[in-house]
Amino acid sequence: DTEVTQTPKHLVMGMTNKKSLKCEQHMGHRAMYWYKQKAKKPPELMFVYSYEKLSINESVPSRFSPECPNSSLLNLHLHALQPEDSALYLCASSQNTYEQYFGPGTRLTVT
Amino acid sequence: KQEVTQIPAALSVPEGENLVLNCSFTDSAIYNLQWFRQDPGKGLTSLLLIQSSQREQTSGRLNASLDKSSGRSTLYIAASQPGDSATYLCAVDSSNTGKLIFGQGTTLQVKP
Repeated sequence: DTEVTQTPKHLVMGMTNKKSLKCEQHMGHRAMYWYKQKAKKPPELMFVYSYEKLSINESVPSRFSPECPNSSLLNLHLHALQPEDSALYLCASSQNTYEQYFGPGTRLTVT
Repeated sequence: KQEVTQIPAALSVPEGENLVLNCSFTDSAIYNLQWFRQDPGKGLTSLLLIQSSQREQTSGRLNASLDKSSGRSTLYIAASQPGDSATYLCAVDSSNTGKLIFGQGTTLQVKP
């Protein structure tokens, strides 16, 4: 099973809302990632968790707050977002730093 | 700073044609290179991973090669089908941290 699941599929939120994105994998992978993808652009790395510890933060604004409660689950907490944060948010996982498997993404619209 | 380039940005071919997608990178010190496929509005599907010590990988009609010294990788698709229409992305890991640097992608259209 090489599946990474993400919920919700679509999310519309106002600039004052607080919401969370969820990502789950059951492949026993110990590295998990959040990417942001704007239309017609490649994904951009936001965060990397390795063995449930944050190992890379690509200077992401504090209105994005990642959390890794256990080895299978990765959350992205959103607060006070801006319209320019509207994008497809992708989660991925890998065994160590090898082949990355991506989820279907959450389409986020900030109004 | 590693930069990844994919040429062409778009490609249209008739069904059945064999084709090659190109990926180049500026720093040859990479740990691995991965090819992905992305359908519109969807996530990425991993096609092939090539470790730095490998020269090529094959999966079905796909063959990816890696030449680190020249900073190039190619993805060969044999006997293309309309279902192959998608955007193809290559990405390199230069730091062994899982941080992937992506190219801009090649959007492929295979016409019946």
